[in-house]
Amino acid sequence: GEDVEQSLFLSVREGDSSVINCTYTDSSSTYLYWYKQEPGAGLQLLTYIFSNMDMKQDQRLTVLLNKKDKHLSLRIADTQTGDSAIYFCAERTGTGGFKTIFGAGTRLFVKA
Amino acid sequence: SQTIHQWPATLVQPVGSPLSLECTVEGTSNPNLYWYRQAAGRGLQLLFYSVGIGQISSEVPQNLSASRPQDRQFILSSKKLLLSDSGFYLCAWSEGGGYTFGSGTRLTVV
Repeated sequence: GEDVEQSLFLSVREGDSSVINCTYTDSSSTYLYWYKQEPGAGLQLLTYIFSNMDMKQDQRLTVLLNKKDKHLSLRIADTQTGDSAIYFCAERTGTGGFKTIFGAGTRLFVKA
Repeated sequence: SQTIHQWPATLVQPVGSPLSLECTVEGTSNPNLYWYRQAAGRGLQLLFYSVGIGQISSEVPQNLSASRPQDRQFILSSKKLLLSDSGFYLCAWSEGGGYTFGSGTRLTVV
């Protein structure tokens, strides 16, 4: 079945780059997403990439997609303490257009 | 602009009591609506989705039910809560691209 996996924790120093990785199983995925969840809040869509793209850049965020390996990454340049949050990877599956599968989330700790 | 409202923000309920969580969307019509649950330290689990009034699809068998009495209203209910129903419940809507999530309800069943 469909599955999205990501590591649970990442710790970086302020000013460094953060790279959060994700793997998924559905090769017919149409969209892949990154969401950010701050403590006690809902999820906020950060960025998304269509499955026929390799890379998308949006200010400090860079999304890389390796469709062959079903690997998605989110790079945050110049990580700030305000970037501390849980980051969820999600894929919109190709079968049954309403289903989006979320990973368990990667908790990013930014040390000053 | 579109907004999504979800309430209450926190809820503590005894085992066996009923539940009603409400979600409303403004600024859009005929949205796809979703209820997700986020258990502690885990990802999001899709519970229900709805593509229109009165149309509910359930993703997992459980103690919960959902209803959509109006176009922009989505309700999550239970007749008798279980301890395992504790979690963070998120309502969301989409119009094709990504999702917009509500602020969530933290439910603790004691």
